[in-house]
Amino acid sequence: QLQLQESGPGLVKPSETLSLTCTVSGGSISSSSYYWGWIRQPPGKGLEWIGSIYYSGSTYYNPSLKSRVTISVDTSKNQFSLKLSSVTAADTAVYYCARRSSILRFLEWWDYWGQGTLVTVSS
Amino acid sequence: QSVLTQPPSVSAAPGQKVTISCSGSSSNIGNNYVSWYQQLPGTAPKLLIYENNKRPSGIPDRFSGSKSGTSATLGITGLQTGDEADYYCGTWDSSLSAGEFGGGTKLTVL
Repeated sequence: QLQLQESGPGLVKPSETLSLTCTVSGGSISSSSYYWGWIRQPPGKGLEWIGSIYYSGSTYYNPSLKSRVTISVDTSKNQFSLKLSSVTAADTAVYYCARRSSILRFLEWWDYWGQGTLVTVSS
Repeated sequence: QSVLTQPPSVSAAPGQKVTISCSGSSSNIGNNYVSWYQQLPGTAPKLLIYENNKRPSGIPDRFSGSKSGTSATLGITGLQTGDEADYYCGTWDSSLSAGEFGGGTKLTVL
């Protein structure tokens, strides 16, 4: 059974960089059939799509976050990561990693999710 | 503010049917497939519907999806108290080259 687990600091200071890692177990991140991505949810609010990455390193980013976001993949560790720079309180959210079960752009759906990790931006 | 528009809340009695709408445009729903997610309180979202109307293994047929033009609909029949959750639609936006989610709909089973 595929499992995804987010890890990283739960508290980040304003203006610093948020860094999270998603470890995939029970399957290979190098599969040619999937993208992997990050989705966040501010407290009490809805889901926000952050971006996705293919094992080759090809990425898509939310235009509203693109200038601050970097998603990378480490196939040797079966992990992918999120970096969000210059954070503010508005970036406080539960961050989920997930598997996108298609490599075709018009087939956007996420079938496996991590449990989520709360990241608070505060001094 | 989400590009995909969902009603903030819907409600119905146990055993009844409810529908949740998701309205978009030609750049997203109109030309791409729609998925739906259920998020129970304090948990990660769970895939309910993919490719407009397909159910993953283990999802009961009480849940159904449809799409027409630039709108999609999630239907839930035989409502149970355990269906109380937030529901989100999702799709790809060809103009933005990015994924999107609706703002979410809170379902209350009265």
